[in-house]
Amino acid sequence: DTGVSQNPRHKITKRGQNVTFRCDPISEHNRLYWYRQTLGQGPEFLTYFQNEAQLEKSRLLSDRFSAERPKGSFSTLEIQRTEQGDSAMYLCASSSSRDSQLSYEQYFGPGTRLTVT
Amino acid sequence: DQQVKQNSPSLSVQEGRISILNCDYTNSMFDYFLWYKKYPAEGPTFLISISSIKDKNEDGRFTVFLNKSAKHLSLHIVPSQPGDSAVYFCAASRSSGDKLTFGTGTRLAVRP
Repeated sequence: DTGVSQNPRHKITKRGQNVTFRCDPISEHNRLYWYRQTLGQGPEFLTYFQNEAQLEKSRLLSDRFSAERPKGSFSTLEIQRTEQGDSAMYLCASSSSRDSQLSYEQYFGPGTRLTVT
Repeated sequence: DQQVKQNSPSLSVQEGRISILNCDYTNSMFDYFLWYKKYPAEGPTFLISISSIKDKNEDGRFTVFLNKSAKHLSLHIVPSQPGDSAVYFCAASRSSGDKLTFGTGTRLAVRP
């Protein structure tokens, strides 16, 4: 039984560079979520997908951020022209549906820690 | 606008005693509440949840209580163990499959 996996676990980049993170959800989970967590705060919602469709984006997600889930399996989160304020832990979660009922519980990956210097 | 609040940033408890972690919310549209536990350098781990139609849910040493009129929930851990030392997040959802709104967390330290 594999959980949610995220790669890379750590990323250090210089301001202005582009970065891309990958999330592999629990297999057959059709909902996938991205959150961001900064020091001393709880995770904050960024966006989520139902299969390959992006259903909601937070206003935290500026134009420099884009997320995709092209085949309804793994997802990527790209940040263009990174800024120091983008330094955070980026968390991915997935949830299942049984008998067409969506689950409330979300299962998180270990996160990708981004440091922008 | 913090819709889910955990007003105690930290809590220290003796091993074997009860730990009580509190959470308040402001949005009446929330209908499901969850507790997550987080160790350093790991993602949050789901612990226990409760629907708004219930006032109590129990799972082993963990019990969550919900007071809808007060918009308050609490997590009780009995007996507390050193391995319970972690950051605990309260989260809320408006509907199944919807995004979670998290509190800022409470760091629990269980002293041996």
